[in-house]
Amino acid sequence: AQSVTQLGSHVSVSEGALVLLRCNYSSSVPPYLFWYVQYPNQGLQLLLKYTSAATLVKGINDFEAEFKKSETSFHLTKPSAHMSDAAEYFCAVSAGQGAQKLVFGQGTRLTINP
Amino acid sequence: ETGVTQSPTHLIKTRGQQVTLRCSSQSGHNTVSWYQQALGQGPQFIFQYYREEENGRGNFPPRFSGLQFPNYSSELNVNALELDDSALYLCASSDRGGNTEAFFGQGTRLTVV
Repeated sequence: AQSVTQLGSHVSVSEGALVLLRCNYSSSVPPYLFWYVQYPNQGLQLLLKYTSAATLVKGINDFEAEFKKSETSFHLTKPSAHMSDAAEYFCAVSAGQGAQKLVFGQGTRLTINP
Repeated sequence: ETGVTQSPTHLIKTRGQQVTLRCSSQSGHNTVSWYQQALGQGPQFIFQYYREEENGRGNFPPRFSGLQFPNYSSELNVNALELDDSALYLCASSDRGGNTEAFFGQGTRLTVV
């Protein structure tokens, strides 16, 4: 079975500071991993995905994540936070082919301080 | 914009009633998945449809049922609504043939009173 743990339900950073959102996963098979962002009253937008190619994955809006098998982690980073990054972020794992049957973490709410 | 559309956007129902939510998948996608997102939680997988057949189900009771049509659009039906069914219901479409990305709709906010 697959599971995801997001460490920290709330993260607050200053504008221009580094963003680090933590995700650890559990999977009995090589995982596909995803980060999604959700703005209030909206659906989910894919930021980036890991599908067993390069371990450092670059996504939209300067976000990136590194797959570390030894640590079972897939942390999301962004070098410089913008006010527009304030949102809820979800890490997800899939055991099936690609994005089938995603298992999501509880989410991390990112707040950006001016 | 992903091309996945859901209707209605908001809905209020009374406990015990039945509800149908609709989803139009992105062009070229043959797989639709439904998720329930309770307030303050991550989405939870309800079930998935591939070429009109159910292809996996999460830990939801039988009163949650679905359909997929030949044009790959889909419906989620919930019978005997309970207060705990209040949530955002998300539909995601994908190409099971190899594309690894699921595109989500904006969701339907269901409130059960």
